[in-house]
Amino acid sequence: EAQVTQNPRYLITVTGKKLTVTCSQNMNHEYMSWYRQDPGLGLRQIYYSMNVEVTDKGDVPEGYKVSRKEKRNFPLILESPSPNQTSLYFCASSLSPVTGADYTFGSGTRLTVV
Amino acid sequence: GQNIDQPTEMTATEGAIVQINCTYQTSGFNGLFWYQQHAGEAPTFLSYNVLDGLEEKGRFSSFLSRSKGYSYLLLKELQMKDSASYLCAVRASGGSYIPTFGRGTSLIVHP
Repeated sequence: EAQVTQNPRYLITVTGKKLTVTCSQNMNHEYMSWYRQDPGLGLRQIYYSMNVEVTDKGDVPEGYKVSRKEKRNFPLILESPSPNQTSLYFCASSLSPVTGADYTFGSGTRLTVV
Repeated sequence: GQNIDQPTEMTATEGAIVQINCTYQTSGFNGLFWYQQHAGEAPTFLSYNVLDGLEEKGRFSSFLSRSKGYSYLLLKELQMKDSASYLCAVRASGGSYIPTFGRGTSLIVHP
């Protein structure tokens, strides 16, 4: 089944403790991205990647890192999480960033930083 | 940059028709998406418009006017399960090509 898989679904952590949220897709998509979703603010772009070893900042990249060492995986790294990073996170992927209508989301990761 | 505007909340009655509007301003246009999102779940794809006109898909239709920077999602024969947020997203030409999302319209369907 074609899908975007995120793990974990739920995570509670403490301020300053490094964490990684994984994202994997099995559709051979070139294009992957991360969003965070907060009440009243909608989905906001954090980082995106147009191919292996090609990543760039979205609208709200502060406090986050990403890597794209292989096509299928695009982990989101929080080196020193803070309470303002408590949010619902979504990974998404697409075959073509320019023409594709196949923008597919993972199930989401609800992160709480205390 | 891009600016996407849609109503915050709408209510409708089961069996009725509802139209959710989306207006946008973008430096270059390369497609408009509509997604449905139930609370706490992932957005699911509804429609994609890149040319002007109406695209019909079952109970859902989406319209685009590029010259007016305007789109709407039309939901017919509303069902209780249609209660959800509806997200309008625009992909600009050039730059990242990542869709930028509006804040979403929360639709409440009453019996």
